[in-house]
Amino acid sequence: NAGVTQTPKFRILKIGQSMTLQCTQDMNHNYMYWYRQDPGMGLKLIYYSVGAGITDKGEVPNGYNVSRSTTEDFPLRLELAAPSQTSVYFCASSYPGKGGSYEQYFGPGTRLTVT
Amino acid sequence: QKEVEQDPGPLSVPEGAIVSLNCTYSNSAFQYFMWYRQYSRKGPELLMYTYSSGNKEDGRFTAQVDKSSKYISLFIRDSQPSDSATYLCAMRPSGTYKYIFGTGTRLKVLA
Repeated sequence: NAGVTQTPKFRILKIGQSMTLQCTQDMNHNYMYWYRQDPGMGLKLIYYSVGAGITDKGEVPNGYNVSRSTTEDFPLRLELAAPSQTSVYFCASSYPGKGGSYEQYFGPGTRLTVT
Repeated sequence: QKEVEQDPGPLSVPEGAIVSLNCTYSNSAFQYFMWYRQYSRKGPELLMYTYSSGNKEDGRFTAQVDKSSKYISLFIRDSQPSDSATYLCAMRPSGTYKYIFGTGTRLKVLA
């Protein structure tokens, strides 16, 4: 059981380039999330999904897109990368759990630098 | 005012000390409260989960929720150098799947 996996671990992009951050979970969780973490700023929700084919914006969606064609995969697309998108990106998944806790399980992160 | 406030630290304590980590919040609708531990360059991992008010204990860790004061705490007894990490609080109201995270408190336990 690998849990939540993310690729790549590190990436350097030039301004204006595009890329896709991959996220896969093998726990059969319906709920998946993308966060970014900037120093001293905590985790900010970018997009989330409550099941295949259903996605919704979080707190900071501008400059990003997502899709959810399967339960397992939730890729995050960056179009026209900007220096403000330099951050560490975490994917997470959750399930209702005991009492509807929706406790989240996180991947190891992707460290992205845009120069 | 941020919905969730957390002192960023760093908080340095000697090995064996009792550590108190805290978050305050403004949204009285929050019902689910979590504490995550994040080691450097790793993803957060769930430590404790509490629903509504009260205390919950798990080994050296105790989570407390005081909804009347909108204040949650995580206590670590007999702290160890391996407890050195950033601790994030997270909370959400009923009826949503989205958690709001605090900024995290960096803890250093000195051997």
